[in-house]
Amino acid sequence: AQKITQTQPGMFVQEKEAVTLDCTYDTSDPSYGLFWYKQPSSGEMIFLIYQGSYDQQNATEGRYSLNFQKARKSANLVISASQLGDSAMYFCAMRERKTSYDKVIFGPGTSLSVIP
Amino acid sequence: GAGVSQSPSNKVTEKGKDVELRCDPISGHTALYWYRQRLGQGLEFLIYFQGNSAPDKSGLPSDRFSAERTGESVSTLTIQRTQQEDSAVYLCASSYWTASSGNTIYFGEGSWLTVV
Repeated sequence: AQKITQTQPGMFVQEKEAVTLDCTYDTSDPSYGLFWYKQPSSGEMIFLIYQGSYDQQNATEGRYSLNFQKARKSANLVISASQLGDSAMYFCAMRERKTSYDKVIFGPGTSLSVIP
Repeated sequence: GAGVSQSPSNKVTEKGKDVELRCDPISGHTALYWYRQRLGQGLEFLIYFQGNSAPDKSGLPSDRFSAERTGESVSTLTIQRTQQEDSAVYLCASSYWTASSGNTIYFGEGSWLTVV
């Protein structure tokens, strides 16, 4: 079963505008972590932001913020003031840790294009 | 080292040959992951090592794939009798828990494998 869903295969945003990339997840574990990574065309995976399931406040890192809605099991990434360099693939990921299971799994990704 | 190091960065091999891909994690990182990313696709979990515990091999696609890790150091991913469908980028990542970033995983630049 799909554990991480990113329903937007491709997104466009005007430079300097804000954009929201959707991510929903599925887990029965009360303890988990959520991540967002950026992958530019060069192929490297760049860590952007982390949210723990018990964190009370939404995570923020510079222009990135994570809109965490636990009851809805969503962890959307908001990028404010988009820049041309933000054009890349964006992956949502979830870490589940159990006694015999510890894995980070990734969603299928969203391709973001920033238009000048 | 400063980051996760992978070698070779590029490998072209003939169908049926064996290949070895190497990953040197960030010093002090206890966890190590291997992922496969086919062109234009998301990240597919392959295997996870945590310290001296038994690895989570649940993502290995067939018995042609195997991986080893000695303690908390270098890991080797071996693909035997390569097939064209094995062509992909193989990404290695390592992690260590911190209160602010959870088990953020840091990626190497990947090993690009082409089977001809």
